Amino acid sequence: EVQLLQSGGRLVQPGGSLRLSCTASGFTFSSSGMHWVRQAPGKGLQWLASIGGSGMSIYYADSAKGRFTISRDNSKNVLYLEMNNLTPEDTAIYYCAKRAIKYACFDSWGQGNLVTVSS
Amino acid sequence: EIVVTQSPGTLSLSPGERATLSCKTSQSVNSGYIAWYQQKPGQAPRLVISGASSRDSGIPDRFSGSGSGTEFTLTINRLESEDFAIYYCQLYGSSLWTFGQGTKVEI
Repeated sequence: EVQLLQSGGRLVQPGGSLRLSCTASGFTFSSSGMHWVRQAPGKGLQWLASIGGSGMSIYYADSAKGRFTISRDNSKNVLYLEMNNLTPEDTAIYYCAKRAIKYACFDSWGQGNLVTVSS
Repeated sequence: EIVVTQSPGTLSLSPGERATLSCKTSQSVNSGYIAWYQQKPGQAPRLVISGASSRDSGIPDRFSGSGSGTEFTLTINRLESEDFAIYYCQLYGSSLWTFGQGTKVEI
């Protein structure tokens, strides 16, 4: 069974930094593209970043470029999202997601982590 | 940048009725790059349809996806109470993924 277990969400002050983690199990992590998606309170889904199985092929949404960094450690089956210079507009639930094999969509999701940016 | 527009914003229906959700893209897209997700309150999204028309594992056959070009549809026949949720359309293109704003299916 595919499982994506997230950790790292918390309250952080504006201008602060945070690293989210997503530990994968139940599939060959190093062969799977992975993504980060967020959802602001009461809002829709926003794709943030993707990374290929080998750690190459990294892409970001415009909203994430320059402040967010996606990475992975295939030896530990962990996906990361490093977020810097956070603002209140970054307050959201952050989800990691696994890319499907056949189609360019996300077939498994983590439980989500709430990140609150506030003083 | 291709814009993804879902309609209606809210669909008010009763159990047993049919729901028809629309997803339109601002340019013609490969139907293989269209997916639909279901999200219930307090839960992570769940993949319902990939490749515009393929149901994901465990999705009941009352869910169906169709469409091509710029217009795609998610149809839910014989709505059940567990189907009331928000549904998002997703497009992949040029190494970027875009979600529609969602359609809420409510009782």
